[in-house]
Amino acid sequence: SAVISQKPSRDICQRGTSLTIQCQVDSQVTMMFWYRQQPGQSLTLIATANQGSEATYESGFVIDKFPISRPNLTFSTLTVSNMSPEDSSIYLCSAGGDSTDTQYFGPGTRLTVL
Amino acid sequence: ILNVEQSPQSLHVQEGDSTNFTCSFPSSNFYALHWYRWETAKSPEALFVMTLNGDEKKKGRISATLNTKEGYSYLYIKGSQPEDSATYLCASCPGKLIFGQGTTLQVKP
Repeated sequence: SAVISQKPSRDICQRGTSLTIQCQVDSQVTMMFWYRQQPGQSLTLIATANQGSEATYESGFVIDKFPISRPNLTFSTLTVSNMSPEDSSIYLCSAGGDSTDTQYFGPGTRLTVL
Repeated sequence: ILNVEQSPQSLHVQEGDSTNFTCSFPSSNFYALHWYRWETAKSPEALFVMTLNGDEKKKGRISATLNTKEGYSYLYIKGSQPEDSATYLCASCPGKLIFGQGTTLQVKP
């Protein structure tokens, strides 16, 4: 299993600013992912954070809006850029192997954009 | 486009009641079905990963079944307790996790 921590746990931000969310895993993992849950919606995959290369983004998500870093096998960051109220969501990171492996999640970052 | 549907959206039961929820998913291109329990302000907790048609898994009072041919999974909770109150998420995995909107369970003492 893996224990995942995220910082910050919550934040309230002004429109037009950016926020970087940190994700730390207590062991080396192959795959790390970033998800978003907008109010009333399902958890949605934003991107796969690849160690040593650019993240792989899902349809509807772009690097300019959600730049991701993954400098090593235990750490990743997600930046929410030029925020608008529509970015108000819970952002979660997760780690795991392939599709049949358990994915472990962090506790989430609850973001409110005013 | 893949849709994972969960029902009911919310459920209120009395302590001691047994309950169940449904997750339906497209049966084509199926790899795995994941169940999670998510309590407020905590990390989603993995309950089961199921891959085989007819699979049944159990963890304490919670169990799950899987029918990949018709595209559904049931989650059962026997003798619900207040600590079972949470949102239960399922996710189909045709390469990446696609989540349903969850079933929120409230167990009243």
